[in-house]
Amino acid sequence: KQEVTQIPAALSVPEGENLVLNCSFTDSAIYNLQWFRQDPGKGLTSLLLIQSSQREQTSGRLNASLDKSSGRSTLYIAASQPGDSATYLCAVIMEYGNKLVFGAGTILRVKS
Amino acid sequence: NAGVTQTPKFRILKIGQSMTLQCTQDMNHNYMYWYRQDPGMGLKLIYYSVGAGITDKGEVPNGYNVSRSTTEDFPLRLELAAPSQTSVYFCASSYSPKGYGYTFGSGTRLTVV
Repeated sequence: KQEVTQIPAALSVPEGENLVLNCSFTDSAIYNLQWFRQDPGKGLTSLLLIQSSQREQTSGRLNASLDKSSGRSTLYIAASQPGDSATYLCAVIMEYGNKLVFGAGTILRVKS
Repeated sequence: NAGVTQTPKFRILKIGQSMTLQCTQDMNHNYMYWYRQDPGMGLKLIYYSVGAGITDKGEVPNGYNVSRSTTEDFPLRLELAAPSQTSVYFCASSYSPKGYGYTFGSGTRLTVV
């Protein structure tokens, strides 16, 4: 059974810092991996989706990398801002499945 | 664009009561999902549907039922509510079974007392 783990569970940084969120998965037979953002009282918003054949994806100040063979992904946020404060979740879909498997998320707080 | 609309946003139920959580999407997505999110945990899939008239169980289906009579609507029914069903419930839809185009509703916070 696929298990997705995110480290750290919570992170507090001053504004302007570059930071890395980590995601690991136990079964490397994934089809793709996706990073989501969740604001308090809101639903999830997809940030980046990386195909299993890709190594990274970038969107603005966000960069997500994927090392499928080692079962790891990182989300890099450059020059963090208070507006980046949210919970970040990663999720995978298996090659043979059609359901997202989520990690528990990292709660990020960027202090001004 | 409305996207995925969930109602109600909040609800308090007594043990043993029943209720239906409503979910409607206006994107003509075939795939729809119900998740629950408990504090400090990831989202767990309750039920999903690949099209009108077709539903299937997810990881945690016990105590819940769904129906999908139209492409737009995917209600979740709780029968005989229990404290273990206290959670935040999210409905989502997508145009692909492989994670593309996922759109989530804003959630329903349910408390069973």
